[in-house]
Amino acid sequence: DTEVTQTPKHLVMGMTNKKSLKCEQHMGHRAMYWYKQKAKKPPELMFVYSYEKLSINESVPSRFSPECPNSSLLNLHLHALQPEDSALYLCASSQGLRGSNQPQHFGDGTRLSIL
Amino acid sequence: SQQGEEDPQALSIQEGENATMNCSYKTSINNLQWYRQNSGRGLVHLILIRSNEREKHSGRLRVTLDTSKKSSSLLITASRAADTASYFCATDAVRIKAAGNKLTFGGGTRVLVKP
Repeated sequence: DTEVTQTPKHLVMGMTNKKSLKCEQHMGHRAMYWYKQKAKKPPELMFVYSYEKLSINESVPSRFSPECPNSSLLNLHLHALQPEDSALYLCASSQGLRGSNQPQHFGDGTRLSIL
Repeated sequence: SQQGEEDPQALSIQEGENATMNCSYKTSINNLQWYRQNSGRGLVHLILIRSNEREKHSGRLRVTLDTSKKSSSLLITASRAADTASYFCATDAVRIKAAGNKLTFGGGTRVLVKP
């Protein structure tokens, strides 16, 4: 079991739907991340939250809207997605110590399929 | 764009043999990390090596770093069927002002350990 919990594990949605992905960690980490991973490819960074504030947006389309309600939770709101957005969406967290070398802890992801 | 490139892309070995994979990168780094990903799961952090370190061990894992050649290698000794997974290197090259770190992943090596 991982210490970063993502729900749902699988999600199928139409292009006009609105849905949300959720991520939760209770390790006291202050940095949280969203990644997108296509099959047989490496994860690609989408967003970084630092102390509940968005610090990095890797030019992600606005149909993806992140939210960090508190230090333990991270959401990714989805709206009007395209078929090419089908992928595994991974959440990760790290201690968040500024300027230090630190590993990231990943959840098992949400496998998203857009019809 | 990928900072790290890994080779080989795929590796098939017998249980008990050693597995070696390499990672090359392009810019100066703060540290380099290796992660494992089992099929359908999230990434698991294996080892972090800082830019001023040359070699690091963790159990059956040995990582080397050559900053002059901008390359790293991961050696798994006495492999087991359970080591079957994809292995990714990730470089931490950018100091971000906020907490957290920005990782860029290599393309990954798919390792199959046959019993």
